[in-house]
Amino acid sequence: DTAVSQTPKYLVTQMGNDKSIKCEQNLGHDTMYWYKQDSKKFLKIMFSYNNKELIINETVPNRFSPKSPDKAHLNLHINSLELGDSAVYFCASSQVKDGEAFFGQGTRLTVV
Amino acid sequence: QKEVEQDPGPLSVPEGAIVSLNCTYSNSAFQYFMWYRQYSRKGPELLMYTYSSGNKEDGRFTAQVDKSSKYISLFIRDSQPSDSATYLCAISSGSARQLTFGSGTQLTVLP
Repeated sequence: DTAVSQTPKYLVTQMGNDKSIKCEQNLGHDTMYWYKQDSKKFLKIMFSYNNKELIINETVPNRFSPKSPDKAHLNLHINSLELGDSAVYFCASSQVKDGEAFFGQGTRLTVV
Repeated sequence: QKEVEQDPGPLSVPEGAIVSLNCTYSNSAFQYFMWYRQYSRKGPELLMYTYSSGNKEDGRFTAQVDKSSKYISLFIRDSQPSDSATYLCAISSGSARQLTFGSGTQLTVLP
């Protein structure tokens, strides 16, 4: 039973398209995150939601919009995709008082 | 200067060797320290989590934190080929406990 699951696992799309990535966690955690891993494998925080409220919004183009319908779900919508958006996007969750974050398997986005 | 600097590697060792992986950090306010293991095309997997100076042991893995030097290490004893992966140090901070990662060290354990 997967703790943090993301869909899709792979996404290949053309420049200019709009796409969404979905994430669900069944750990009962109160905080969810989106991280981006670039081609050099460097992982960087993008967004964080606590109890459906956006609490971190790093310097990310406003083409990226997260949405949290409930505590267990955090989706990422990307408008007008660009070549530079190609990366692996990871969803993670934690119980903020504990701080241990658990990651999904990632969504490998390729923009052509 | 990056907030978290990690010895880049790559590192290649024979099976059974002791591996030492290291990171330094710049912000003394950082409180929570983690090591993640990431296999190729997989998500990071939490290996060790600690918040105090000193050593924490879990099987063949030992995490060491020296807050006075802002230095964290992961030791792997009796390394196995299955330990071949990228190891990422991460520091948790802020109200959301977001993680700041090192750049990762790719480890290969040769049979």
